[in-house]
Amino acid sequence: ETGVTQSPTHLIKTRGQQVTLRCSSQSGHNTVSWYQQALGQGPQFIFQYYREEENGRGNFPPRFSGLQFPNYSSELNVNALELDDSALYLCASSRPGQGIFGELFFGEGSRLTVL
Amino acid sequence: QQQVKQSPQSLIVQKGGISIINCAYENTAFDYFPWYQQFPGKGPALLIAIRPDVSEKKEGRFTISFNKSAKQFSLHIMDSQPGDSATYFCAARRAAGNKLTFGGGTRVLVKP
Repeated sequence: ETGVTQSPTHLIKTRGQQVTLRCSSQSGHNTVSWYQQALGQGPQFIFQYYREEENGRGNFPPRFSGLQFPNYSSELNVNALELDDSALYLCASSRPGQGIFGELFFGEGSRLTVL
Repeated sequence: QQQVKQSPQSLIVQKGGISIINCAYENTAFDYFPWYQQFPGKGPALLIAIRPDVSEKKEGRFTISFNKSAKQFSLHIMDSQPGDSATYFCAARRAAGNKLTFGGGTRVLVKP
């Protein structure tokens, strides 16, 4: 059983650019969530996708968008990057069975630096 | 709005000692309270979790105590080991949906 994998692991962008982060969910998991973790802070929920549809969103502006594909992999897109977008972006997958959506399994994250 | 408050921000404990981390929440709709362990450069990993109908849950050296009336829960790490040195996050989830609300984290250092 493969775990949650994310790419790229590190990337550097400049303010105003756009970025796409990718996530492959754990085998058998059909729900993917994205979190932003600023340095020294706890992760903050961005949004969740279930069966290719957004199913919950945190307090993030519309320039944060996402997709989920039929194989349950997912993308996080951020437009018009700002310096405060610098963070570790975590993807988590889960499967039904325990509670409504099940336990979350996190990937190792994509470290984004905006200069 | 910080719905889950975690303390202390950091703690140092000697090998073999007990590490205690506390969390308090505001939203009574939360129905699931996990703890995550995160090592540098890694994503958070689920350590142990509890539901509000249980006052205590123990898994190995890790114990969660839950006080529903006080809206507080805590993690106890018994016989702390240097390999336990990590950042620990408490979290809470509402019954509707799978969004986790995390505390600010506690950096634990276990000295040999």
